[in-house]
Amino acid sequence: AQSVTQPDIHITVSEGASLELRCNYSYGATPYLFWYVQSPGQGLQLLLKYFSGDTLVQGIKGFEAEFKRSQSSFNLRKPSVHWSDAAEYFCAVGLISGGYNKLIFGAGTRLAVHP
Amino acid sequence: SQTIHQWPATLVQPVGSPLSLECTVEGTSNPNLYWYRQAAGRGLQLLFYSVGIGQISSEVPQNLSASRPQDRQFILSSKKLLLSDSGFYLCAWSGQGASQPQHFGDGTRLSIL
Repeated sequence: AQSVTQPDIHITVSEGASLELRCNYSYGATPYLFWYVQSPGQGLQLLLKYFSGDTLVQGIKGFEAEFKRSQSSFNLRKPSVHWSDAAEYFCAVGLISGGYNKLIFGAGTRLAVHP
Repeated sequence: SQTIHQWPATLVQPVGSPLSLECTVEGTSNPNLYWYRQAAGRGLQLLFYSVGIGQISSEVPQNLSASRPQDRQFILSSKKLLLSDSGFYLCAWSGQGASQPQHFGDGTRLSIL
């Protein structure tokens, strides 16, 4: 069955430090992969997506993610974190199920940023 | 450009009262529409999805129902709310195809007293 695992429930980094959020997926075919961010009390905003081609994808707000098929991973990175990046981050796999495009979400990683 | 609107932003309702949450999408036609619930500190649970007017599928059995009376309108309802219906409700839309991302509204915080 398809699944998405985000091993880290909480991560705390200092402002200006680099960030890597882990995501592993289980899916038989070539996956469509997404990262979303959710600020407290808000909806989810799409950061970036991977369909095919270049395995390093750039997103909004200075984020990037790298697809590694051999590791079934799609980790999110940012070279220098800003205090405004504190939020919850969700990784997701997209697939067709029952005639509609379904997203399988990970449980999320909550990011705290220390000044 | 496409936009999605959800209202109300917050709602406090007594147990046993009815519920109606509305979601509308602008700037696209024939979208797939979704209702999710997010319990405090937990991930997203898909409640309903719709691929067209009047076409509703439920992912989990529950006290809620959904309707799509117009192409870009999606409504989440209940006849009698339970305490367990409390949570953060999110509406989303997408285009057709697995490569299409879902785009989310700002959510409704529902508290049941």
